[in-house]
Amino acid sequence: AQKVTQAQTEISVVEKEDVTLDCVYETRDTTYYLFWYKQPPSGELVFLIRRNSFDEQNEISGRYSWNFQKSTSSFNFTITASQVVDSAVYFCALSEASGLGGNTGKLIFGQGTTLQVKP
Amino acid sequence: EPEVTQTPSHQVTQMGQEVILRCVPISNHLYFYWYRQILGQKVEFLVSFYNNEISEKSEIFDDQFSVERPDGSNFTLKIRSTKLEDSAMYFCASSEVGFGRGHQPQHFGDGTRLSIL
Repeated sequence: AQKVTQAQTEISVVEKEDVTLDCVYETRDTTYYLFWYKQPPSGELVFLIRRNSFDEQNEISGRYSWNFQKSTSSFNFTITASQVVDSAVYFCALSEASGLGGNTGKLIFGQGTTLQVKP
Repeated sequence: EPEVTQTPSHQVTQMGQEVILRCVPISNHLYFYWYRQILGQKVEFLVSFYNNEISEKSEIFDDQFSVERPDGSNFTLKIRSTKLEDSAMYFCASSEVGFGRGHQPQHFGDGTRLSIL
C-alpha cells in the first residue's frame, strides 16, 4: 500500500531561519516519483519539485533544497533563510504505477505541513 | 505559461442537487485528474481519465460521481445528488504524459470551492 506521512503538522519560524519539512513514504513499487507542492493561503497548488526513485541526488533550487534517501524512505525539504512569503501548507506526494493499465499517475498526498514564517 | 482553468471558483448548492464542476486542462495534455480537499485536510485523489475513459478511481468516487470530456477542451466532474460531506475544494489537474512515459508533473487548477447547504 502507498502512503505518505508528514509528521509535522505545523512549524513556526522567524524570518531568515532555516527550516526542514519531513516526508516519509511507503510503497512496494521500485519505480515511483516523489513531489512537493506548495499551497499558499490563496488555495492553489503550486508544483515545486519532482524526483524519481532512481535519482537520489540531492537538489538545490535557490533557497530550496531536497534530500532524498531511499534507505529511510524519506524526501525532506529544506528552506534556507525563510521568508514571510514562504508561509503556506506544503504537501509531499507520491506517484507509483498502479490502477488499471498500471500507469495512471495518481498522486498520493501527505497530510501537509503548515509553515508559518514570522517577520 | 499555459494553465489549467476551473470554473466556477465557488459553487453553493442545496443538498440533493446536481452540480457540475468544469475544468479546461492544458491543451496538449492527455491525462486528467480530479482531486478533492476537505477544509483543513489533505488532498485526496478521486479519478484519473485518459483516452476518453476512466483509468482509475478511488473509493470516494462512488456512483454519485461521474466525469466527462464532452469536447476537445473541457473536462467535467458531476456530482449527481450532493451531500453535506461533499463540501470541499475540488482540484482538476492535467499532465502531458502519464507515469510510464517519463511521467510529467501534474499541473493543478486553482480549484472550485463547493459548499453544500
